[in-house]
Amino acid sequence: DQQVKQNSPSLSVQEGRISILNCDYTNSMFDYFLWYKKYPAEGPTFLISISSIKDKNEDGRFTVFLNKSAKHLSLHIVPSQPGDSAVYFCAALYNQGGKLIFGQGTELSVKP
Amino acid sequence: KAGVTQTPRYLIKTRGQQVTLSCSPISGHRSVSWYQQTPGQGLQFLFEYFSETQRNKGNFPGRFSGRQFSNSRSEMNVSTLELGDSALYLCASSSGTVPGEQYFGPGTRLTVT
Repeated sequence: DQQVKQNSPSLSVQEGRISILNCDYTNSMFDYFLWYKKYPAEGPTFLISISSIKDKNEDGRFTVFLNKSAKHLSLHIVPSQPGDSAVYFCAALYNQGGKLIFGQGTELSVKP
Repeated sequence: KAGVTQTPRYLIKTRGQQVTLSCSPISGHRSVSWYQQTPGQGLQFLFEYFSETQRNKGNFPGRFSGRQFSNSRSEMNVSTLELGDSALYLCASSSGTVPGEQYFGPGTRLTVT
């Protein structure tokens, strides 16, 4: 069963506009949620995380929102830049261990 | 600091053979996790090692095994290879300072023919 789902395989956005990537989960026991970015031929890179007791976390152009009642989180990138073009993975963690449960990924394309 | 390194980067094996992949974590990181990435299944957790002990395990058959050495370097082994084992195998290390923050290597691309 897919505990973490990213239903949009791709997203195209104009440079300077907002990118919104979405993620749904089924397990209410997750402690943390994270976003990773992946460029071709490289491993994923950590972007931003949020604790399950928070509803928002910001880091520069990146903001993650968590809606626990809907079991939904989203990543906002404002403003979007061409260098943001990559595959974005949502991930969830419980027991603060090293087992990350990943979504399928959303490929973001930011057009100049 | 040097990043996570994985060797080899590419590997071609035949069905039925076995393979060993190696991972060197970032210096000072004691946790090493392994993931399998395939187009159909995405990134799936294999196992995590911490201080030479397996701390977490994913839903993979017993043909997949791993170990960690006292210097935190880790290896994973796949025995009796199947065509479906063709994938990118990613290793990640973490210090545990930020929950879930893992540093990934570039991966080993395994092709089983």
